[in-house]
Amino acid sequence: AIRMTQSPSSLSASTGDRVTITCRASHPISSYLAWYQQKPGKAPKLLIYAASTLQSGVPSRFSGSGSGTEFTLTISRLQSEDFATYYCQQYYNYPPWTFGQGTKVEIK
Amino acid sequence: ETQLVESGGGLVQPGGSLRLSCAASGFTFSSYSINWVRQAPGKGLEWVSYISSSSKTIYYADSVKGRFTISRDNAKNSLYLQMSSLRAEDTAVYYCARSETTVTPYYYYYYMDVWGRGTTVTVSS
Repeated sequence: AIRMTQSPSSLSASTGDRVTITCRASHPISSYLAWYQQKPGKAPKLLIYAASTLQSGVPSRFSGSGSGTEFTLTISRLQSEDFATYYCQQYYNYPPWTFGQGTKVEIK
Repeated sequence: ETQLVESGGGLVQPGGSLRLSCAASGFTFSSYSINWVRQAPGKGLEWVSYISSSSKTIYYADSVKGRFTISRDNAKNSLYLQMSSLRAEDTAVYYCARSETTVTPYYYYYYMDVWGRGTTVTVSS
């Protein structure tokens, strides 16, 4: 199975900050990577697929990049509603579909 | 509105069984493959099982293979997960998640675009 590793595991930031989360795959996955946002007690929400394609309705301050084994999720100007946990997921080699361990974005 | 709603969770003793359901609405259920994904308390997301639109292709995570059975009824717009020989480590929120497809000349790739709110399964004596 392809292992997905996110860094950092958590970060503290202020509203208006630029935030970057990294996701690394144990084997190349082309651009078959998705990013999800999860708030406490809620279901995950798809933000980005194909490494850089924004899901309909997702604010443009979210962006994704990368291919192969290294990927990033960037929030250009952090808003209060963006404080959440973010997961990457590969869908190149399945089963299993595998997720990163998550990155918790907290208020500084 | 595109929606998935899980039900059937609860408290069950180790070794027991439970059947989860997922009701779909707002889209053509029979055209989509669906997954079960779980999240143990305070932990990350773990894919559990996949079923194709026609039920022809089914996959399971190694952690549940031989104990869980996924099925669907397209006439009822419903997905199911029959869980047996439950263990404490199966305690989690179980989500159903729709697969969106990327089609290439060589393969199909599926990511999860719509998720339900989840149902909680607790395995404890």
